[in-house]
Amino acid sequence: NAGVTQTPKFQVLKTGQSMTLQCAQDMNHNSMYWYRQDPGMGLRLIYYSASEGTTDKGEVPNGYNVSRLNKREFSLRLESAAPSQTSVYFCASSVQGGNSPLHFGNGTRLTVT
Amino acid sequence: SQQGEEDPQALSIQEGENATMNCSYKTSINNLQWYRQNSGRGLVHLILIRSNEREKHSGRLRVTLDTSKKSSSLLITASRAADTASYFCATVTSNSGYSTLTFGKGTMLLVSP
Repeated sequence: NAGVTQTPKFQVLKTGQSMTLQCAQDMNHNSMYWYRQDPGMGLRLIYYSASEGTTDKGEVPNGYNVSRLNKREFSLRLESAAPSQTSVYFCASSVQGGNSPLHFGNGTRLTVT
Repeated sequence: SQQGEEDPQALSIQEGENATMNCSYKTSINNLQWYRQNSGRGLVHLILIRSNEREKHSGRLRVTLDTSKKSSSLLITASRAADTASYFCATVTSNSGYSTLTFGKGTMLLVSP
């Protein structure tokens, strides 16, 4: 039982390059989330998916796109990476929304040069 | 925008002592959750307290919620070196019928042997 799995663990991009961060959960959860964590800023919500087939913007969606591929998988895409997107990205899932605990992956550490 | 604000930002204690962290927030909430993050890892859920509850316990953890003061506290009793981590509160509010979590910036706890 792996919980929430994120790939890759580390990534270095040059400005303007694109990449997709992958996330999969095996807990049959309905809701999935992408957060970014920056020093001194806590976690900020980028996008979330309340259930399969739906996605919504969070607090900091600019520069990102998401796809809820199926119930298990929720990917985050950076179309044209910028240095300001250097961060640690966390994927999380929950049974349904914020009224149940979130289960987090171990993060992707992204550096954009 | 941050909803919850933890206080203090950093806390250093000796093993066996109690650690108290506080969280203040600004708007009405559905529930409030506390998470722990060990260095380099994802967040781990500790306790969820609903807006109609005043206190919850889980092992050595005690969480209180005062909705009139818009504040919560996390008490760790008889702390251990393994409790060294960052602790985050997350407030849950509903937006258009869906609830999401907003995290504070966290309290870094150092427990020395």
